[in-house]
Amino acid sequence: NAGVTQTPKFQVLKTGQSMTLQCAQDMNHNSMYWYRQDPGMGLRLIYYSASEGTTDKGEVPNGYNVSRLNKREFSLRLESAAPSQTSVYFCASSGSGQIAFFGQGTRLTVV
Amino acid sequence: QKEVEQDPGPLSVPEGAIVSLNCTYSNSAFQYFMWYRQYSRKGPELLMYTYSSGNKEDGRFTAQVDKSSKYISLFIRDSQPSDSATYLCAMRGGNTPLVFGKGTRLSVIA
Repeated sequence: NAGVTQTPKFQVLKTGQSMTLQCAQDMNHNSMYWYRQDPGMGLRLIYYSASEGTTDKGEVPNGYNVSRLNKREFSLRLESAAPSQTSVYFCASSGSGQIAFFGQGTRLTVV
Repeated sequence: QKEVEQDPGPLSVPEGAIVSLNCTYSNSAFQYFMWYRQYSRKGPELLMYTYSSGNKEDGRFTAQVDKSSKYISLFIRDSQPSDSATYLCAMRGGNTPLVFGKGTRLSVIA
């Protein structure tokens, strides 16, 4: 049982480049989330999707877009990467039990 | 004021010590309270989950929620070097997304 799978695990981008972070869950969860984690800042919510077909902004949405492709998949796109977006990105999902399950993270460096 | 406040530490204790980790929060609508453990370079994993007020025990771990004081705690008894990790409190109300504390880095020294 894979749970929440994120790809890629590592990525280096140049300023201004674009990329999409992929996330898929196999637990039939309705809700999916994207967080970023920076030293001393904890986990901050970027965007979330309460159910297939809906997305909402979180605490730090600027510079990002998301797509809830289907119930399983929730992608995060950086249209024009900036050094301030250097971070570890975590995808998570939750069902009716309220508990969020996390992927292993994507380490992104923007130079 | 942040919705969830957590002392980031770091906290260093000798093996066998009792560890107390705490969070305070401001949103009275929070009903679901969780503690996640995160090892270095890994994703957070759920450790304890409590609904509303009260205590919950699981082996060496005890979670406490005091909604009247807006205060939650995690106690670790007989701490082990394998407990060395960052501990994050998290909470939510209804169908809102989880809100996390900043995490407390714990080191248990053998």
